[in-house]
Amino acid sequence: ELKVEQNPLFLSMQEGKNYTIYCNYSTTSDRLYWYRQDPGKSLESLFVLLSNGAVKQEGRLMASLDTKARLSTLHITAAVHDLSATYFCAVDSIYDYKLSFGAGTTVTVRA
Amino acid sequence: GAVVSQHPSWVICKSGTSVKIECRSLDFQATTMFWYRQFPKQSLMLMATSNEGSKATYEQGVEKDKFLINHASLTLSTLTVTSAHPEDSSFYICSARTSSTYEQYFGPGTRLTVT
Repeated sequence: ELKVEQNPLFLSMQEGKNYTIYCNYSTTSDRLYWYRQDPGKSLESLFVLLSNGAVKQEGRLMASLDTKARLSTLHITAAVHDLSATYFCAVDSIYDYKLSFGAGTTVTVRA
Repeated sequence: GAVVSQHPSWVICKSGTSVKIECRSLDFQATTMFWYRQFPKQSLMLMATSNEGSKATYEQGVEKDKFLINHASLTLSTLTVTSAHPEDSSFYICSARTSSTYEQYFGPGTRLTVT
């Protein structure tokens, strides 16, 4: 069974500062996903990381993947209020494409 | 591209009744669709996987007689919650993928409230 652990579960950010969310997973997986969820809404895809050493950036968000350590990070640069949301990482099985999600990190950005 | 819709977006039903939720892939053929349930302030939990033309595969602990899933075409899957109870109140999200891609595309979700 694929297990995915995220930390921290809650993150209170100060505007303008940098923060990192960590995602560990238990077994070999080809793909690591990051999603954003706003209250009352469904998931918005942020990044798909496919290989060891993969790094992707979009605006103030940057995600990276270390398959040997089974670790992905989501780095937030110079946090702004618009980034307040819940962020989920997920990995899928190479056999049946089922996604296993982490518990989510609820981010609140304060002035 | 890769748009998934759900209908209805929210529904309120009385305890003991059944409710059907539709999930449609609008611009691609979805060979596989997934149904998730999300309780407030929790993560998404996979309920079942459905392949077009086949019976759905349910995750452990999900009652297949209560949550009926039909995937009769390459663009439509339905989830019917039978004899709904207040504890079935949740946010139900579907996703879809094609046979040529690994990525799942998520629908906007359906909020079910059972009174």
